Amino acid sequence: GAGVSQSPSNKVTEKGKDVELRCDPISGHTALYWYRQSLGQGLEFLIYFQGNSAPDKSGLPSDRFSAERTGGSVSTLTIQRTQQEDSAVYLCASSFSRTETQYFGPGTRLLVL
Amino acid sequence: GEDVEQSLFLSVREGDSSVINCTYTDSSSTYLYWYKQEPGAGLQLLTYIFSNMDMKQDQRLTVLLNKKDKHLSLRIADTQTGDSAIYFCAESNPGGNTPLVFGKGTRLSVIA
Repeated sequence: GAGVSQSPSNKVTEKGKDVELRCDPISGHTALYWYRQSLGQGLEFLIYFQGNSAPDKSGLPSDRFSAERTGGSVSTLTIQRTQQEDSAVYLCASSFSRTETQYFGPGTRLLVL
Repeated sequence: GEDVEQSLFLSVREGDSSVINCTYTDSSSTYLYWYKQEPGAGLQLLTYIFSNMDMKQDQRLTVLLNKKDKHLSLRIADTQTGDSAIYFCAESNPGGNTPLVFGKGTRLSVIA
């Protein structure tokens, strides 16, 4: 499997719970992106990692959202105290560098009840 | 600011050509992309065009770029039912640390 993988593929949680979403980028890709796709909407940028640089967090909608990337590879997006409006598809993408084409994973479908 | 606009729906008959249009606002965009999203799936890169080009052809796909009008189009020749999906236009500006900016997507329905 040479593509971007994400887990879980689906997640149902109760309002107020914390969730963790995982992304495994393509091996060798230094740039990693998280986007959110809400029902009927386009993709909304959340956060971006490039190598060892400080991440660009400008798209995170609130301080309940955070992400980390360990060892320059796997990334985890954490949503604390989930709200119903957090229900969406969370997509991860990676690229060889920030100027190269982004390849997307299949997404995690999050439903907050 | 950056903004990408697309029409939301397009319906065509099988065998006809489909043309999906997109307008963007960032004149410094270097690359413009078309992604396809099938139901329940992630985004699949279809094609992209560099901003100094005005046309790119790849099998049944033709991308036209009018940089003056900031207008991008994707033409799908001989549209098939398997082409039914949502098509996203996206722009990038590698001059800064900006991610892709996506349109809301055009839902293409192919009628057999």
